[in-house]
Amino acid sequence: NAGVTQTPKFQVLKTGQSMTLQCAQDMNHNSMYWYRQDPGMGLRLIYYSASEGTTDKGEVPNGYNVSRLNKREFSLRLESAAPSQTSVYFCASRTGGEKLFFGSGTQLSVL
Amino acid sequence: DQQVKQNSPSLSVQEGRISILNCDYTNSMFDYFLWYKKYPAEGPTFLISISSIKDKNEDGRFTVFLNKSAKHLSLHIVPSQPGDSAVYFCAARGNTGGFKTIFGAGTRLFVKA
Repeated sequence: NAGVTQTPKFQVLKTGQSMTLQCAQDMNHNSMYWYRQDPGMGLRLIYYSASEGTTDKGEVPNGYNVSRLNKREFSLRLESAAPSQTSVYFCASRTGGEKLFFGSGTQLSVL
Repeated sequence: DQQVKQNSPSLSVQEGRISILNCDYTNSMFDYFLWYKKYPAEGPTFLISISSIKDKNEDGRFTVFLNKSAKHLSLHIVPSQPGDSAVYFCAARGNTGGFKTIFGAGTRLFVKA
């Protein structure tokens, strides 16, 4: 049972490069979320998709875009990476209940 | 403005003793409060939750207490075990706007054998 799968696990970018972080869940969950984790800041919500076909901004959306490709997949795109976007990124999904299921994360470094 | 605050970055406890992790929140519209546990190089995993209409929820060694008037919740782990050493995130879910979950900064728990 895969749960929430994120790719890649590690990525190094140069300032100004673009990339897309992929996330897929196999639990038939309606809602999907992207968080970033930074030391002393906890997990901060970047974007979320309450249901297929909808996306909304979270706490720290600047510099990111998202696509809810279908019910399973929710991608996060950095159009022009900046050093401030160096972080660990987590994708999560949720069904009707209160708890989130997280992927194992993508460690991103922007030089 | 942090809506969910964990003011203790770390906590060290002896094996077998009680661990108490604290959390404060500011938004009275949260309807669920949750604790997640995170090991290095892994994603957070759900530990225990409590509805805003309750004041206590227990699951084995883990108990969460909610004091709505003080906007405060705590996680008690009894007895603490070395395998409990991890980062614990307090989180709160809103009842509107996509049911977003907001996290605190986390508390790193060290349980010494």
